[in-house]
Amino acid sequence: QSALTQPRSVSGSPGQSVTISCTGTSSDIGANNYVSWYQQHPGKAPKLMIYDVTMRPSGVPDRFSGSKSGNTASLTISGLQAEDEADYYCCSFAGAYLLFGGGTRLTVL
Amino acid sequence: QITLKESGPTLVKPTQTLTLTCTFSGFSLSTSEVGVGWVRQPPGKALEWLALIYWNDNKRYSPSLKNRLTITKDTSKNQVVLTMTNMDPVDTATYYCARRLPVAGARYFDYWGQGTLVTVSS
Repeated sequence: QSALTQPRSVSGSPGQSVTISCTGTSSDIGANNYVSWYQQHPGKAPKLMIYDVTMRPSGVPDRFSGSKSGNTASLTISGLQAEDEADYYCCSFAGAYLLFGGGTRLTVL
Repeated sequence: QITLKESGPTLVKPTQTLTLTCTFSGFSLSTSEVGVGWVRQPPGKALEWLALIYWNDNKRYSPSLKNRLTITKDTSKNQVVLTMTNMDPVDTATYYCARRLPVAGARYFDYWGQGTLVTVSS
């Protein structure tokens, strides 16, 4: 039961696009379409941003999009805004439990 | 309006048992497909999924912690309780409870509590 692998940090300037990767195995990400992404600002609870690989909950801007190829899922944020600066965590169903990634710190330059 | 709130001790000693309570409102654990789970986050570190209980009393646990965890529900009180035995300093973390989206097959949490910091120290 190892955490999903995410880059420790990514950065981008306002208006640019960034992509955060999340690599797992054929037992988790590669086994189903139950990948979700959470945004967490310092001192706050996580917020669901993407579920079922590509779906956005109501209220989440369409600047946020998700995708998956094989054992790797990705979160793309386009048109970066200052408020997007936060930690992002991927999460995958792994058969009988959920597995989170190690988290990625997004810095908006 | 859906809310969840964690409560319990802020400090426990090594080897003690931790008991945390999640009190929620705006939904019921007697409703089909509803679930409430626990996730923790050590200071400065990543989220870790711990356990989940479903409306039908099915339970799921993290494989690495299942021997130490017990999750129960009290539907009449709108509460879910998590107990973790044999606490160790590495268990120091903010513990969150969260609602699983009440849709068949949902594998994510749509509402979260504010979290409660538990420190393990003698």
